[in-house]
Amino acid sequence: GESVGLHLPTLSVQEGDNSIINCAYSNSASDYFIWYKQESGKGPQFIIDIRSNMDKRQGQRVTVLLNKTVKHLSLQIAATQPGDSAVYFCAENMRNTGRRALTFGSGTRLQVQP
Amino acid sequence: DAGVIQSPRHEVTEMGQEVTLRCKPISGHNSLFWYRQTMMRGLELLIYFNNNVPIDDSGMPEDRFSAKMPNASFSTLKIQPSEPRDSAVYFCASSFSAGVRDQPQHFGDGTRLSIL
Repeated sequence: GESVGLHLPTLSVQEGDNSIINCAYSNSASDYFIWYKQESGKGPQFIIDIRSNMDKRQGQRVTVLLNKTVKHLSLQIAATQPGDSAVYFCAENMRNTGRRALTFGSGTRLQVQP
Repeated sequence: DAGVIQSPRHEVTEMGQEVTLRCKPISGHNSLFWYRQTMMRGLELLIYFNNNVPIDDSGMPEDRFSAKMPNASFSTLKIQPSEPRDSAVYFCASSFSAGVRDQPQHFGDGTRLSIL
């Protein structure tokens, strides 16, 4: 996963624009990836997941792209809305080993300007 | 459907006191996870249970921390004695795990713990 620290990277977008949040992971053996959204005072909320045998998965207004060659994951949010403002975390694990615990990245703060 | 329920939502206590955090997982889920979130270290796994059995407790900081899952619908995380550095938000998550058909983890809204 990514290094952690006090200062979250911030992505600021205009309402209606598309957002792309990136995540680099370090464990080439990871085979399951997941994106969470965390609003202030709440727990992480599941958005979308993807297994390593796929390179793209779409949900409602969201798309996750996985590039295993460079160990990169991205979350695309279409037509970003003010309600999308939150901190977004990517997480990974190695399900093929039976290990179910997630390793989280440090997060990206998304700010949507009206 | 009820999500993961944690209590209390906030806890403020003096160092040296015992702290007990509680979690009720989503009904039907067979895996339960305790995480800790701090500004410095982000979200870290403390321990997880599968079918009420602790599977991985390598993230538990030290002997002052203990976790139990007496049945499928309840888990506790206990800190005794508590120290100021234990101040953090503690999250419980649950999922249904069945090999390759594992489902995503769903989180509660956490317990914000402050040790004075």
